[in-house]
Amino acid sequence: NAGVTQTPKFRVLKTGQSMTLLCAQDMNHEYMYWYRQDPGMGLRLIHYSVGEGTTAKGEVPDGYNVSRLKKQNFLLGLESAAPSQTSVYFCASSSGTPSYEQYFGPGTRLTVT
Amino acid sequence: AQSVTQPDIHITVSEGASLELRCNYSYGATPYLFWYVQSPGQGLQLLLKYFSGDTLVQGIKGFEAEFKRSQSSFNLRKPSVHWSDAAEYFCAVVRGDSWGKLQFGAGTQVVVTP
Repeated sequence: NAGVTQTPKFRVLKTGQSMTLLCAQDMNHEYMYWYRQDPGMGLRLIHYSVGEGTTAKGEVPDGYNVSRLKKQNFLLGLESAAPSQTSVYFCASSSGTPSYEQYFGPGTRLTVT
Repeated sequence: AQSVTQPDIHITVSEGASLELRCNYSYGATPYLFWYVQSPGQGLQLLLKYFSGDTLVQGIKGFEAEFKRSQSSFNLRKPSVHWSDAAEYFCAVVRGDSWGKLQFGAGTQVVVTP
């Protein structure tokens, strides 16, 4: 039981390049989330999904897209990377009610130069 | 708008001393409340959570937290810290009608000295 895994762990991009971050969970959770973590700001929600084939915007969605084609996977895409997207990205999953407890992946450290 | 405040950005505590981390939230009803810990270079691990019932909740690693409705607070405590408790701690809230979306505080960095 791996829980929540994220690929890759580290990545360096040049401005304007694109990439996709993969999140996978093996807990059969309905809900999945993408956050970014920046110093002094805690974690902020980028996008989330409440089921296969559904996605919604979070607090800071601009510059990102997501897809949830399979229940176990949640992809985060950057179409044209900008230095402001340098951050640590965390994926999380949850079964929803009643506890809403979220399980987090180990994170992806992205640097955009 | 819902918000979570952790007033202390950084706390230094001696090993063996007690620790209290503060968390205040603004939300009309009682939210679901969480404390997470993040060790350097790691993901977040849930320490404890509160939904309802007993306002003093016990968590892992010897931590506890107390929900005080009158003060809109959910402070985290540990009677005697260990060097391994050095980490960043995040308070978070979820509204019951928000699809489980977490609102995080900015975090408190805890340094443990010998």
